[in-house]
Parts: sequence; structure tokens; C-alpha cells
Amino acid sequence: DTGVSQDPRHKITKRGQNVTFRCDPISEHNRLYWYRQTLGQGPEFLTYFQNEAQLEKSRLLSDRFSAERPKGSFSTLEIQRTEQGDSAMYLCASSVTGLGETQYFGPGTRLLVL
Amino acid sequence: QQPVQSPQAVILREGEDAVINCSSSKALYSVHWYRQKHGEAPVFLMILLKGGEQKGHEKISASFNEKKQQSSLYLTASQLSYSGTYFCGTPDQGAQKLVFGQGTRLTINP
Repeated sequence: DTGVSQDPRHKITKRGQNVTFRCDPISEHNRLYWYRQTLGQGPEFLTYFQNEAQLEKSRLLSDRFSAERPKGSFSTLEIQRTEQGDSAMYLCASSVTGLGETQYFGPGTRLLVL
Repeated sequence: QQPVQSPQAVILREGEDAVINCSSSKALYSVHWYRQKHGEAPVFLMILLKGGEQKGHEKISASFNEKKQQSSLYLTASQLSYSGTYFCGTPDQGAQKLVFGQGTRLTINP
């Protein structure tokens, strides 16, 4: 079984630039999550999809962040007008709906905003 | 609300045992345990469901006390490969998203 993959693994950008990350979930996983993790903290929820529908978005997520999952398979997370505070590891996870569903994480995209 | 993990850090010698606790102020329906090594993604260890039995395999096991709203992760005869940061995650108000604790950093020395 191929795991969750994310691209790119690292991104360095200048403040004010836009960045886009991609996540490919485990095939046939209908749920896809985005989390953000900063140093010394646990992952923090950003948003999640069931198939192509975005069902929840964190209230902490600014309008500069947008995510899509157009065909219910891969997903993209875009950050517009990046700020230094956006520097973090962006993690994607996927799961299958069901009792005790388990979220499997991808390797993450580490973003550094200069 | 974020679950609280204790201790924040543990240093052990290879072969020693460790217990990591995860507590919540809200009712728990399930607890998910992950281990993360530096610079890598969290790796799923196990999930404990309300009303379920203690789970585990080999030298890593966990328990879930619904009344006390807490879960404990037990690592026995620790190996060097057990080093990393352990996170517990709990579903937020029955939703699918997980809310993670702040993590417990485990260091195993030879």
C-alpha cells in the first residue's frame, strides 16, 4: 500500500509570495486532513475533506489559506501573501470513514518564510 | 480543548520502562497514539475506543480509562528505536478532526 505523499518536502519563500502544497492520500481513503505543526507542538487542525467536499475549516485559519480537493483524490493547500508566522510543517493525513478510523500522515512540507 | 500529556520529557536507559499519560477535561470517545521522530511525520501506533479493551503489541501497550478521561501508553524494556516524541490525539466533540496534546519527548540512551 502506498502511503500518503506530499510535495514539495521543503519550501523556502519570501514574505508576500504565494505557495501551494500538494497531498496525495492513500488510494480509496475518502477523508483528507490538513494540519500545521510548529516546533515543540502537536499537529494543529486546519481543514478536512470528505471526498471533494470541504466539511470543516479551523476558525484559526486566515482567509489567506485555501484548500481544494477537486476530484476527491489529491488535495492542494495554498497560502497567499505568506507571512513569517506561516513558517511551519504542513502535514496531510488521510483516513477511511468508519468506527475507530485511523489517520495516516504524510511526510509533511516544511515551509520557511523569510 | 487540548488533551494534557505528562510527563513532558523522559530520559531512560535502554531496557527501562516508561509510562506516558494523556488526560482530557472532556469526555473521551477514543484516543489515538502517535510517535514522531525528529523531522519526520507522526506514525500511528494504536487507537483505543470507548468500551474497548487494552490494546498493544509486543512491548508497547495502552489503556483507556473512560471514567478518569485519560489514557496511558506503556513502553516496556525500551529499545533505542523507541526514542521520539509521543502524541495523543482525541476527536474534537465527536468530529473527525483530532486535537493533539503537546507531546512527550522520550530519549533512550544505550
